[in-house]
Amino acid sequence: EVQLVESGGGLVKPGGSLRLSCAASGITFTNAWMSWVRQAPGKGLEWVGRIRSKTDGGTTDYAAPVKGRFTISRDDSKNTLYLQMNSLKIEDTAVYYCTTLHTIFAVVISLDYWGQGTLVTVSS
Amino acid sequence: QSALTQPASVSGSPGQSITISCTGTSSDVGGYNYVSWYQQHPGKAPKLMIYEVSNRPSGVSDRFSGSKSGSTASLTISRLQAEDEADYYCSSYTTSNPWVFGGGTKLTVL
Repeated sequence: EVQLVESGGGLVKPGGSLRLSCAASGITFTNAWMSWVRQAPGKGLEWVGRIRSKTDGGTTDYAAPVKGRFTISRDDSKNTLYLQMNSLKIEDTAVYYCTTLHTIFAVVISLDYWGQGTLVTVSS
Repeated sequence: QSALTQPASVSGSPGQSITISCTGTSSDVGGYNYVSWYQQHPGKAPKLMIYEVSNRPSGVSDRFSGSKSGSTASLTISRLQAEDEADYYCSSYTTSNPWVFGGGTKLTVL
């Protein structure tokens, strides 16, 4: 059974930093492309960024609203995905989900498995 | 990148069929067969229901089906049940970003 368990959410002041973690099990994490998706309260889904597997370069892509402020990384030895969030803004308040990505020739086909999410609240 | 366009809400009675549309452009829905659909119950994580326009993952009921015509994809739920009441999101590969989501549709089972 695939399990993705996020942690690290909480209350942070504008301009502050937070690091989210996502512990994966039931998948061959080393080969997995992973992503972060967020959902502001009462709003829809928004992709945050993705990271390729190390064998596919381990590179990252980010959505425009978070580029330059957020960094996705992975520790394959711990089967864990990270999201480092800096210079947080009020509009970053959301539930953050980690997901696995189903890809074909580097094209994202679907977001197959989702964690339960972790809430990040940015407020003074 | 603009979100794909979905109706804000749809409704239906138990036993009926409903269809949710997802409209994009030739740069996403219309240009590729990489449309997926997700179901989200309140307070829960989204769940993959359809991928590559019309394929169902293992374990998803065959009451759920997907199709596409031009730049509009559709999710049809037949023999509607109370447990189908949820939010539904479409997603597509896009040339400008790895993928894009629709704005979401709230399904109410009357």
